[in-house]
Amino acid sequence: EVQLVESGGGLVQPGGSLRLSCAASGFTLSTFWMTWVRQAPGKGLEWVANIKQNGDEKYYVDSVRGRFTISRDNAQNSLFLQMNSLRAEDTALYYCARGDIFSGYYHAIDVWGQGTTVTVSS
Amino acid sequence: DIQMTQSPSSLSASVGDRVTITCRASQSIATYLNWYQQRPGKAPKLLIYAASSLQSEVPPRFSGSGSGTDFTLTISSLQPEDFATYYCQESYNTPESWTFGQGTKVEIQ
Repeated sequence: EVQLVESGGGLVQPGGSLRLSCAASGFTLSTFWMTWVRQAPGKGLEWVANIKQNGDEKYYVDSVRGRFTISRDNAQNSLFLQMNSLRAEDTALYYCARGDIFSGYYHAIDVWGQGTTVTVSS
Repeated sequence: DIQMTQSPSSLSASVGDRVTITCRASQSIATYLNWYQQRPGKAPKLLIYAASSLQSEVPPRFSGSGSGTDFTLTISSLQPEDFATYYCQESYNTPESWTFGQGTKVEIQ
């Protein structure tokens, strides 16, 4: 069964750091783009970051660029999100997700984890 | 950045109704448009990619259309399990950035 399981969420003070992890199973992680998507309480989905299969390309939404770092360890079937200088507006459920390519051109998110909650508050 | 605007933000409908949700992009994105369903307390699920291609195991009552800037998701006959929030997402600038619409909540009338 293809599965993504996030961990590492919790309560952190503004300005603090947190590292999210995502364990992948049931597929070969190294063959897929991976992504983090977040959802603030009661709000919609927001794309956070993408990472290429070998980790040499990384992209971020403007609001987290310079504070968050996406990384992966294909040998350990794991994806990570290092979050520094956290702000109240980073409070959200963070989803680890797999990006696939359909018909050779079209990228979409076809597998999602259940999410891990990050709360930034004093 | 590409902006995605969905309408309506919410709607009420009955089982068996035909439902249409619209998504508009701030610039042309060809057919680089995906639709997701999110049931309460659950992770999103891919319904449609490339504007009109049905993801495997998604019921055929779901369909998508459009190209350029205007897109629609149609549910031909609403079922109880379809009451959820639906999001469009552009993938035109993959992998540099993705943008989701703000969501459309489909509620029971």
